[in-house]
Amino acid sequence: NAGVTQTPKFQVLKTGQSMTLQCAQDMNHEYMSWYRQDPGMGLRLIHYSVGAGITDQGEVPNGYNVSRSTTEDFPLRLLSAAPSQTSVYFCATGRVHNSPLHFGNGTRLTVT
Amino acid sequence: AQKITQTQPGMFVQEKEAVTLDCTYDTSDPSYGLFWYKQPSSGEMIFLIYQGSYDQQNATEGRYSLNFQKARKSANLVISASQLGDSAMYFCAMREGRGTQGGSEKLVFGKGTKLTVNP
Repeated sequence: NAGVTQTPKFQVLKTGQSMTLQCAQDMNHEYMSWYRQDPGMGLRLIHYSVGAGITDQGEVPNGYNVSRSTTEDFPLRLLSAAPSQTSVYFCATGRVHNSPLHFGNGTRLTVT
Repeated sequence: AQKITQTQPGMFVQEKEAVTLDCTYDTSDPSYGLFWYKQPSSGEMIFLIYQGSYDQQNATEGRYSLNFQKARKSANLVISASQLGDSAMYFCAMREGRGTQGGSEKLVFGKGTKLTVNP
C-alpha cells in the first residue's frame, strides 16, 4: 500500500523549461491538492481537486496547471519554469470532509 | 489577512517538560477543522491531531492535546513530556467548508513554529 507517491524526488530545470510533477494515490481519496513550501512561508496551496474532472485554484496558482482525469492521479504542470518556482512541492490527499490530509514525501525543484 | 497565525517562529523546551505552541485562526464559516502537523528535518509532513469546530471536547492523541478555545479562535497544541524527537517544525492548519463535493475545501497553513527540545 503505497499511499501518496510523488515523482520525481528532485528536479533541476532551466528557466523556460516545462515539466510535470506526478502525484498518485491508492487510498481512493476524493480530495487531492498541491502545495509549495518556501522558507518562512509555510505551505501554500497551488491547486486542488475535490474529484475527477473538478479542479480549482488555491492561493498561488499562477504558472501552474493541473488536471484530474482519474481519482488516482493529479499531475502538476509547470508550463515555463521560473526561478521563483524553486521550492519544495507536496501533494496531499484526503476525504472530502474534515479529515486529515495525507502527504507525499515532496519534490524538491530548483530552477536555474 | 492571514487565516492562520502562528506567532512563535521558534520555541525551546527542556526534555520532559510540557510546551504549548500557539495558533489563532480567522474564519466566518461555522464548519471548519483545525489540524496540527509535524515536519521533522527529514521533510515529511506528519499529521498529529485534529479538532472539529463542533467538537465539544478538546482533542487528545497520546502526548498531544489541542487547547481549543472557540470564542477566542485559538487552537494551541500542547505537547506533554517533551522528547528529543519532538524537535521539528510544527504547522497549524485550517480547513473550511461543509465537506460536500464542490464545496470550498482548502487547507490553509500557518507559517510554522520551530520547536527545539534541549536535553
